[in-house]
Parts: sequence; structure tokens; C-alpha cells
Amino acid sequence: EADIYQTPRYLVIGTGKKITLECSQTMGHDKMYWYQQDPGMELHLIHYSYGVNSTEKGDLSSESTVSRIRTEHFPLTLESARPSHTSQYLCASSGRGTGELFFGEGSRLTVL
Amino acid sequence: KNQVEQSPQSLIILEGKNCTLQCNYTVSPFSNLRWYKQDTGRGPVSLTIMTFSENTKSNGRYTATLDADTKQSSLHITASQLSDSASYICVVSDRGSTLGRLYFGRGTQLTVWP
Repeated sequence: EADIYQTPRYLVIGTGKKITLECSQTMGHDKMYWYQQDPGMELHLIHYSYGVNSTEKGDLSSESTVSRIRTEHFPLTLESARPSHTSQYLCASSGRGTGELFFGEGSRLTVL
Repeated sequence: KNQVEQSPQSLIILEGKNCTLQCNYTVSPFSNLRWYKQDTGRGPVSLTIMTFSENTKSNGRYTATLDADTKQSSLHITASQLSDSASYICVVSDRGSTLGRLYFGRGTQLTVWP
């Protein structure tokens, strides 16, 4: 079982609120990722990091920001949430070798 | 354009029956192909990873095949169980960069009925 944790699992907030989705892994992985997934659709990469103080935007344009101050921690922040941000957000990490991805359980965000 | 297409989009089978899910890709260059299982409301979990030189790989009742020439993969599930109900996602990695970009399919939603 993967040691990668996301909180909160579910969040319902009003438009304009600031939110932070937490992601932590205890596997010592350098690479971490945030994906966005809507029902019946493929996962879209929104942010990734290859190590401390390294963050990059992914393929899907996102108004969120991330930080990587510690290896094990990769939080995602939305400064002002909108209904269009309603989605499932999946955090993942990978080590060296095959680069197998380990996913967290996801954070389902609903913005009213 | 690099793409991963999965079929069928959804599938319903009876418990105990076998089934095969398909994945076609146009990703080039190719590094590896992965199958993930995603239960409703959960994160995906890896089932198999296959590189260019591997034709088949098994994980319990799950057997994945890869034909790198035709760029096709299949996931065969034997003696299905109710717990196999999930979305099965095919993911292809390129080696166009040292970072190995991933291309995701939309998944096949499998439902196993008792």
C-alpha cells in the first residue's frame, strides 16, 4: 500500500474562498505531481516537482499554485476558488527506476 | 498527436466471467505502458508496467499484453469478482525527454454483477 496521503478527502466551499489541498508522502520520492480528474475523463497534469524548491506547471492550465519546501510535502493552493474549480484532485509521487506512480486517495473539491 | 484510446468505454459482466479491455496508443517514442485500477472515489493503483521488450505480464488474475509493433495492449481479467468493479486506466510513457511524459486514457468502467 502506497504511503501518500491527501487531506481533505472532501471539501465544499463558497466562491472566492482560499483553499489548500495537502499532500504528503513518506517514501522519500523526489518527484511529486498534481493531477485533475473529471468524471469519465483522463487525468490532466496541472503541477509537478522534481525536488525541493522545484515546481513546474503541467499541461492543463490551472489557477492554482504549489510549493515544495520539504521533500515529503507538496501542497496545492487556490487563492480564490470558483465553480469551474470543482473537480477531483489527485496527488502522486514516483521514485527512481521504472518511475511507477503512487497516488493518494484524492481530494474532491466542490465550489458553490 | 500522442494519444491513448481505450475500449470499450464501459463493460458489464457477470461474476466469474472473463473479460478483456483494450488500449491503443499513438505515443512515440515509447518507453513503457501501465495499467491502473481506480475504484470509485479512490486514487489509481498500479497493476502492471511493461517496457518495449515485454509481451505479457501478470498480476494475479490480471494479465496484460503488449504488441509494440501495432501499438496495442490488452488487460485480461480472469474469473471476475465483484471487487473488480472499477475503472481501468491505460497510461503510456514516452522517452522523448528524461522526464518521461505520461499519456492517460479515459479508462474503461467495468461493472461486475453477482
